[in-house]
Amino acid sequence: GNSVTQMEGPVTLSEEAFLTINCTYTATGYPSLFWYVQYPGEGLQLLLKATKADDKGSNKGFEATYRKETTSFHLEKGSVQVSDSAVYFCALRPANAGGTSYGKLTFGQGTILTVHP
Amino acid sequence: DTGVSQDPRHKITKRGQNVTFRCDPISEHNRLYWYRQTLGQGPEFLTYFQNEAQLEKSRLLSDRFSAERPKGSFSTLEIQRTEQGDSAMYLCASSPRGLAGASTGELFFGEGSRLTVL
Repeated sequence: GNSVTQMEGPVTLSEEAFLTINCTYTATGYPSLFWYVQYPGEGLQLLLKATKADDKGSNKGFEATYRKETTSFHLEKGSVQVSDSAVYFCALRPANAGGTSYGKLTFGQGTILTVHP
Repeated sequence: DTGVSQDPRHKITKRGQNVTFRCDPISEHNRLYWYRQTLGQGPEFLTYFQNEAQLEKSRLLSDRFSAERPKGSFSTLEIQRTEQGDSAMYLCASSPRGLAGASTGELFFGEGSRLTVL
């Protein structure tokens, strides 16, 4: 079956540090890949996505590249801010998803990021 | 606020009691999902509605769980005879039907309803 594995957290960084959160997946074919973020007291929201191999998703200074050869979708940001403190979830949608499968995402366990001033 | 709303935000109940959660999706979204999230884990899919039709249920959804979306708008998730293992955050999400006739894959989540079973 499909699965997503994220690096174990929590991750604690100082402001302006470089961030990497690792994500690898197991799935057949070419799934779509997502990063969702959950800020304190809020619901999960889509941060970025990539739907085919070698695509790069980007948003709010965050980037992730879909690497089929390593089945990875690592999240990076060059300079984090205190406001980036949140829980980050990597997720996948199965390849050739249709009908019900479009919203049936498989999530990783989440990585807590804390950024100190 | 026109986002997904869930009620109640937190429910504490004794084992064996029934609980019901409500979800109001974004008004123009025809797809609605329920997920469950336990501590330290990511969300897990429970069930999916397209309009009023429940099209898929996870095997995680035992026969004590029932979900409805009677008019294709709000949805309810009922848990009967709650057990301590039901303690979790129950998340509702909705998504639109895309221009090409298929969802873009982005889900819009509510803040969740936290259940604590004593």
